[in-house]
Amino acid sequence: QVQLQQSGPGLVQPSQTLSLTCAISGDSVSSNNAAWNWIRQSPSRGLEWLGRTYYRSNWYHDYAVSVKSRITINPDTSKNQFSLHLNSVTPDDTAVYYCARVVVYGSSNWFDPWGPGTLATVSS
Amino acid sequence: DIPMTQSPSSLSASVGDSVTITCRASQSISNYLNWYQQKPGKAPKLLIYAASSLQSGVPSRFSGSGSGTDFTLTISSLQPEDFATYSCQQSYSVPYTFGQGTKLEIK
Repeated sequence: QVQLQQSGPGLVQPSQTLSLTCAISGDSVSSNNAAWNWIRQSPSRGLEWLGRTYYRSNWYHDYAVSVKSRITINPDTSKNQFSLHLNSVTPDDTAVYYCARVVVYGSSNWFDPWGPGTLATVSS
Repeated sequence: DIPMTQSPSSLSASVGDSVTITCRASQSISNYLNWYQQKPGKAPKLLIYAASSLQSGVPSRFSGSGSGTDFTLTISSLQPEDFATYSCQQSYSVPYTFGQGTKLEIK
């Protein structure tokens, strides 16, 4: 059974970097049948996909346009985890942040499982 | 981006009722549509993938249908644990996008 466990601070100062980590058990961050994603949820934005990293002989990354200039998602194969770094945060980045695996099955794909979520508040 | 529109945004029903939630994509997404259930303070949970395939462990009272731009999630014989928020998500193309959610409340 695949499980994702999130860690990272819940309070971030404005203009600083929000950093979260998602540890994977039961699968590999280097899997050729999965992609590793960050999604956030706020009352104003609903569920918003932020980006993903995945391995297909090389590492690839995709990011949402809304955060593309500020986001980095990195895999860490030595610890079987991946991280989110979102810089220059503002109060508008306050949200619950989830990591999630995308399962690729044939041409279909879906988010399963999800991490438990981390409420990240941007405030001084 | 492919905006996803769900309706209704909220719904009241009683235990034992059957309800249907609709999700519409702004362009054809074939059957690349997933449904999630979310309870307060919890992460979303996959219910239906590829428009109509039931995720393992999900009760058979949940069903999904549709293709192209119009999709439905039906819950027959509502149980107390089904009162939650339901969201659709397109997996046709990146960026993945979600509907705004439908909150199902007890009448």
